[in-house]
Amino acid sequence: RKEVEQDPGPFNVPEGATVAFNCTYSNSASQSFFWYRQDCRKEPKLLMSVYSSGNEDGRFTAQLNRASQYISLLIRDSKLSDSATYLCAVREIKAAGNKLTFGGGTRVLVKP
Amino acid sequence: EAQVTQNPRYLITVTGKKLTVTCSQNMNHEYMSWYRQDPGLGLRQIYYSMNVEVTDKGDVPEGYKVSRKEKRNFPLILESPSPNQTSLYFCASKATSPNTGELFFGEGSRLTVL
Repeated sequence: RKEVEQDPGPFNVPEGATVAFNCTYSNSASQSFFWYRQDCRKEPKLLMSVYSSGNEDGRFTAQLNRASQYISLLIRDSKLSDSATYLCAVREIKAAGNKLTFGGGTRVLVKP
Repeated sequence: EAQVTQNPRYLITVTGKKLTVTCSQNMNHEYMSWYRQDPGLGLRQIYYSMNVEVTDKGDVPEGYKVSRKEKRNFPLILESPSPNQTSLYFCASKATSPNTGELFFGEGSRLTVL
């Protein structure tokens, strides 16, 4: 089983709709969680950190469920520009070298 | 402008011909790392460096070498490239204090080994 797993998608989303997807992690010692966005053939960029209490940044909401060991990302009022691959990243407590383990990414396609 | 710069961005080479992918960051970050990204496998860490003269293996170090002689530079060396090293490579850096998760990535180097 992979340490960090994501549904690769693609999630085909009508413009203006809401889409949500999860990322599961296998190590219960995981401490820090993040969502990165990666556009086609570009480098990943941090979208948002995921806090225990959940957090929101505009149309994006991230949640953490420690009991079930997953994080989620919800995008409201989807825009065409939201089309991208969303990577989750997880860091364990005392991870060697501050290592972030990435999921394989979930591809989201927003269509008119 | 804060950035991580990789070169070359695209390279086609042949098996066995040594190559170096350079990486430089201008943010005075202590931590630097190399990843490769392959379809279905996601981003996998090759090597990382916590600071000058300190390097360590990641998950897939075989066939690669790195060095960290200066804080800003972290070159990736393929002594004898093989076709299974065809991939998209990313260099990344971050500050170690505060220990946030924000890795800053370079634009990537697409390598093809024939």
